[in-house]
Amino acid sequence: DTGVSQDPRHKITKRGQNVTFRCDPISEHNRLYWYRQTLGQGPEFLTYFQNEAQLEKSRLLSDRFSAERPKGSFSTLEIQRTEQGDSAMYLCASSIDRDSYQETQYFGPGTRLLVL
Amino acid sequence: AQSVTQLGSHVSVSEGALVLLRCNYSSSVPPYLFWYVQYPNQGLQLLLKYTSAATLVKGINGFEAEFKKSETSFHLTKPSAHMSDAAEYFCAVSGRTSYDKVIFGPGTSLSVIP
Repeated sequence: DTGVSQDPRHKITKRGQNVTFRCDPISEHNRLYWYRQTLGQGPEFLTYFQNEAQLEKSRLLSDRFSAERPKGSFSTLEIQRTEQGDSAMYLCASSIDRDSYQETQYFGPGTRLLVL
Repeated sequence: AQSVTQLGSHVSVSEGALVLLRCNYSSSVPPYLFWYVQYPNQGLQLLLKYTSAATLVKGINGFEAEFKKSETSFHLTKPSAHMSDAAEYFCAVSGRTSYDKVIFGPGTSLSVIP
């Protein structure tokens, strides 16, 4: 029983660099979510996919952020021209949408980003 | 619109004592409610969820929560704290459809004193 995995677990980068994170959801899950969590706060919604379609993006997701899920399996989240304010934990979650009722989201371990 | 407040950003209890973590929600639609736990440097793990069946919901690790519509509350309790319960706890609310976002509270950090 494999859960949600994320890679890398930690990333340190310099301001202005691009970074990319990967999320592998639970295999049969068709929904995939990205959240951002800053210190002392709960996760904040960024975006989500149903299969390969990106259905919603938060206004937190500036044009420097892009997410993809090209084949409806794994997803990547890219941040271009990183800023110190991007330092946070980036969490991925997945769920299965069978009948349009809210299902439990299962979270990965997160990628902790530090922008110097 | 939906929101969650968690009273007390930090709670300390003695080992063996009652754990009570408070959560109040606001929702314009009938809510689903969740409690998640997060251990250091890990993702969130679901403890329990309320989906409009029984108002008293039992979860993993001996935790339970009671949905009280009149008080718009969903407080988390455990009769006897263990050292392993020390973690961050998040209450969350969503609507009942899969198109509703899950909104998390700011979290409560639980410390267990031996």
